[in-house]
Amino acid sequence: EVHLVESGGGLVQPGGSLRLSCAASGFTLSSYAMNWVRQAPGKGLEWVSAISGSGVITYYADSVKGRFTISRDNSKNTLYLQMNSLRAEDTAVYYCAKDRVFSRYWGQGTPVAVSS
Amino acid sequence: EIVLTQSPGTLSLSPGERATLSCRASQTISSSYLAWYQQKPGQAPRLLIYGASSRATGIPDRFSGSGSGTDFTLTISRLEPEDFAVYYCQHFGSSLWTFGQGTKVEIK
Repeated sequence: EVHLVESGGGLVQPGGSLRLSCAASGFTLSSYAMNWVRQAPGKGLEWVSAISGSGVITYYADSVKGRFTISRDNSKNTLYLQMNSLRAEDTAVYYCAKDRVFSRYWGQGTPVAVSS
Repeated sequence: EIVLTQSPGTLSLSPGERATLSCRASQTISSSYLAWYQQKPGQAPRLLIYGASSRATGIPDRFSGSGSGTDFTLTISRLEPEDFAVYYCQHFGSSLWTFGQGTKVEIK
């Protein structure tokens, strides 16, 4: 059974950094593209970033380009999102989601709050 | 960049009624790349429909999707109490995902 478990969220000051992790089980991570999607409090879903199965190709929303880095360690079956230069508007629940076109499998989310 | 516009923003209906949700794309998109999700408070999105009209595994047949080109529809034939939630359409294109702003289906 596929499971995705995010961790690493928390409270951080503006300008700070966080690294989110998404531990995958029940499938071979290297065979699938993965995504990060976020949801600000009371708002809709916003796609953040995607990475190919091999990890060679990455994609970013304009809102995070240059500040966030997606990566994966297929040997650990774990997906990451390094978030730097955090802003108040990055406050959201961050979800990892499996697959390239659409996703049947989502984690439960990890909350990130950017505030002084 | 494709923009997805969902309407209405909120739909107030009673259990047993039919719900019709719209998702309009800013330009023609492939039906293969259009999906619908349901989200309840405090939960992750749940895939309902992919490829515009294919039901995901375990989704009741009261949920159906249709449409092509720029206009897509999610229909819930008879609302059950557990169907009151927010619904999002999603498009995959140019290697990125785009979501509509959501339609909230609330109990009247």
